[in-house]
Amino acid sequence: NAGVTQTPKFRILKIGQSMTLQCTQDMNHNYMYWYRQDPGMGLKLIYYSVGAGITDKGEVPNGYNVSRSTTEDFPLRLELAAPSQTSVYFCASSYRTDTQYFGPGTRLTVL
Amino acid sequence: AQTVTQSQPEMSVQEAETVTLSCTYDTSENNYYLFWYKQPPSRQMILVIRQEAYKQQNATENRFSVNFQKAAKSFSLKISDSQLGDTAMYFCAFMKLYRGGSNYKLTFGKGTLLTVNP
Repeated sequence: NAGVTQTPKFRILKIGQSMTLQCTQDMNHNYMYWYRQDPGMGLKLIYYSVGAGITDKGEVPNGYNVSRSTTEDFPLRLELAAPSQTSVYFCASSYRTDTQYFGPGTRLTVL
Repeated sequence: AQTVTQSQPEMSVQEAETVTLSCTYDTSENNYYLFWYKQPPSRQMILVIRQEAYKQQNATENRFSVNFQKAAKSFSLKISDSQLGDTAMYFCAFMKLYRGGSNYKLTFGKGTLLTVNP
């Protein structure tokens, strides 16, 4: 099993550009999550999904959108990138109340 | 809302010695999980240990153990026989359990940077 994979590893965006961060898991987990980690801080939840076709907002959803068309994939869309979205983004998955397993992260810089 | 506090921004320990990282949390819930995650320089978030609040017995995983004090809302991590590979940022995290078993988020502390010196 590859676990949770994320692409790209690094990305630099200009203000106002858009991009999609990809996340895929091969553990057949029904729950998936997107977090962001700002310097010197813990992770904060952006969006989560409890299954295909079901998504909901976390603590910091503004400026982001998600979709979940399959069990395996949970892409995060940034529209109109802003410097405040410079962060490291982590995708995670879990089987219901079980432990969350994290991907390797995507470092995004918005200039 | 739940909060997680890690009062030690940085700690250091000599190789082969024992170190304890502190974590306190604030919640009115009775059913929850607590976690310690490790983040080495590679940035990967790695689960170290998990504790279910309904279990009185402290969780252990090889050299890692916790001291879970539910009444005091304290959840410290002890690392025995520290190794150079233990150098990392350590995050304490809280997860509330909803009726029916659904969960939706981890609440993280700000982390403790642990350096193991040779």
